Amino acid sequence: QSVLTQPPSVSGAPGQTVTISCTGTSSNIGAGYGINWYQQLPGRAPKLLIYGYINRPSGVPDRFSGSKSGSSASLAITGLQAEDEADYFCQSYDSSLSGWVFGGGTNLTVL
Amino acid sequence: QLQLHESGPGRVKPSETLSLTCSLSGGSISDNNYYWDWIRQSPGKGLEWIGTIYYSGNTYYNPYLTSRVTISVDTSKNQFSLSLNFVTAADTALYFCSRHPLTSVGLYYSGMDVWGQGTTVTVSS
Repeated sequence: QSVLTQPPSVSGAPGQTVTISCTGTSSNIGAGYGINWYQQLPGRAPKLLIYGYINRPSGVPDRFSGSKSGSSASLAITGLQAEDEADYFCQSYDSSLSGWVFGGGTNLTVL
Repeated sequence: QLQLHESGPGRVKPSETLSLTCSLSGGSISDNNYYWDWIRQSPGKGLEWIGTIYYSGNTYYNPYLTSRVTISVDTSKNQFSLSLNFVTAADTALYFCSRHPLTSVGLYYSGMDVWGQGTTVTVSS
């Protein structure tokens, strides 16, 4: 069982907006540590989408955005495209474990 | 542009030691702006952080693996390595190495921004 909790799957039609949640605790997200989001296409390595809650690395479209509230975080994808179909993982630092933890991942299906 | 490449045996026998190397091209492992990580992904499962190293040799390990893990760096070869001993079937996974930028507030607000393509390790007799 992962330290950070994500829904196993979400889906949306092209052009729609989907949101993926990531629930943590007071030792990780709630403690104020940064939240990172990754996209993993089938058979590929993860790709950093969002770091430090809301920042996008160069080259990541602004259709991807992050937010945080209390001990939870969210990744929003607007203007959904077929190429967005992938697994998405959240990540944070956990002070009780003294290390980095990931969510179990959410599979996004574009209908 | 930095590229990372994992290498090592694709199969390891139970109770033996898994050894992998991550080689850098297009960048220096001695760059003091970055740490370097090992992460794995078991079949059909999520990602698990194994450990992190700085070019100086400072290391941080997953507490659930710390008794079996050693991560080392070889600046002369521009690479870092993972050693995991007493492996079992549960260690069968896709192993990735990655880069972790150091920010003004430490590592806590950056993500792993460059990844290798991963190497599959199967633990089987």
